[in-house]
Amino acid sequence: KQEVTQIPAALSVPEGENLVLNCSFTDSAIYNLQWFRQDPGKGLTSLLLIQSSQREQTSGRLNASLDKSSGRSTLYIAASQPGDSATYLCAVRNNQGGKLIFGQGTELSVKP
Amino acid sequence: DVKVTQSSRYLVKRTGEKVFLECVQDMDHENMFWYRQDPGLGLRLIYFSYDVKMKEKGDIPEGYSVSREKKERFSLILESASTNQTSMYLCASSPPGQANIQYFGAGTRLSVL
Repeated sequence: KQEVTQIPAALSVPEGENLVLNCSFTDSAIYNLQWFRQDPGKGLTSLLLIQSSQREQTSGRLNASLDKSSGRSTLYIAASQPGDSATYLCAVRNNQGGKLIFGQGTELSVKP
Repeated sequence: DVKVTQSSRYLVKRTGEKVFLECVQDMDHENMFWYRQDPGLGLRLIYFSYDVKMKEKGDIPEGYSVSREKKERFSLILESASTNQTSMYLCASSPPGQANIQYFGAGTRLSVL
């Protein structure tokens, strides 16, 4: 059974720092992996989607990498800003049309 | 822009009450999903639907049912609410063949007393 883990559960950094959020999954046979952002009391917004054949995806200051063999993905945020403060969730899909399996999320706080 | 609307942001109900959580999407999406989100557990899929009057159980369907009478509306029903159903409930929808592109509503925070 696929399990997705995100460590740490919470992270606090000063503004301007580059940071990495981690996501690991137990079954490497995934179809794709997705990173979401959730602001307090709000729904989820998709940030990046990496297909199983890809190694990374970039959007602005965000870069997500995928290493299927080790069951790991990282979300790199460059030059963090207070507006980046949110909970970040990763989710994997085991096959096309399959359901999303979510990690517990990392709550990020960027201090001005 | 895709809009997924959940009718209530906050709900407080009593144990044993029948509770309806409503979700409406305006993009003619076939796929709709109901999740609950709890601290330390992430999002867990309760039910999903790939078409009108069609439903499939997710990972934690016990204590819940759903209704999809119209394409744009997917309702989550708690037949007899219990305190362990206190949670944040999130609805999502996605276009046909693109279940990985899910658009989420703002969530309904339900408290069962």
